[in-house]
Amino acid sequence: QSVLTQPPSVSAAPGQKVTISCSGSSSNIGNNYVSWYQQLPGTAPKLLIYDNNMRPSGIPDRFSGSKSGTSATLGITGLQTGDEADYYCGTWDSSLIPGLYVFGTGTKVTVL
Amino acid sequence: QVQLVESGGGVVQPGRSLRLSCAASGFTLSSYGIHWVRQAPGKGLEWVAVISYDGSKEYYADSVKGRFTISRDNSKNTLYLQMNSLRTEDTALYYCARDLGQFTKFDPWGHGTLVSVSS
Repeated sequence: QSVLTQPPSVSAAPGQKVTISCSGSSSNIGNNYVSWYQQLPGTAPKLLIYDNNMRPSGIPDRFSGSKSGTSATLGITGLQTGDEADYYCGTWDSSLIPGLYVFGTGTKVTVL
Repeated sequence: QVQLVESGGGVVQPGRSLRLSCAASGFTLSSYGIHWVRQAPGKGLEWVAVISYDGSKEYYADSVKGRFTISRDNSKNTLYLQMNSLRTEDTALYYCARDLGQFTKFDPWGHGTLVSVSS
């Protein structure tokens, strides 16, 4: 049972924008960097955003991340059919010693 | 090319053991921590364990603590996940992933190895 809550699904038409929320607490998002991962159907996850808002080399600037308090948000602009995937947030959780990594519940993005 | 390749998965009966391997190439393994993450069929991602770059720190999810052990052999560029007392709920695709720092960002990920625990 994940401690990071995401909406099960979001959808929009091609070219539109979607945002995915990731809600946590002070023991995880509130005090640690957040990453986002994209999992295309049948493939391994890929790092999309790290350190709350940084993009790895090769990730287009259509993808953006932000964090405020105990919540984080992934934004995708100019939605493309190739963006249909599951998206997960993740961060370190220090509520228990020595701590552990936690993923969000996952959000399926559908391009209408 | 930075790459991780998992192996060792298979079908095993409940209560038995299995050892997964994660072979690294294209980078200096001894400089990085490595995570294991699993995904049950049709489910989300579940973090399993992490080992620091030098093996001095190991952290585990509560669901596997005391049953799974993560280890590494930097001389062989290989990570391991020893899984004992396997349960049906351990059935999943197991990925290894490189830690890019502070145990908060994973890249790249391997393609995974499937573990099925069934009688």
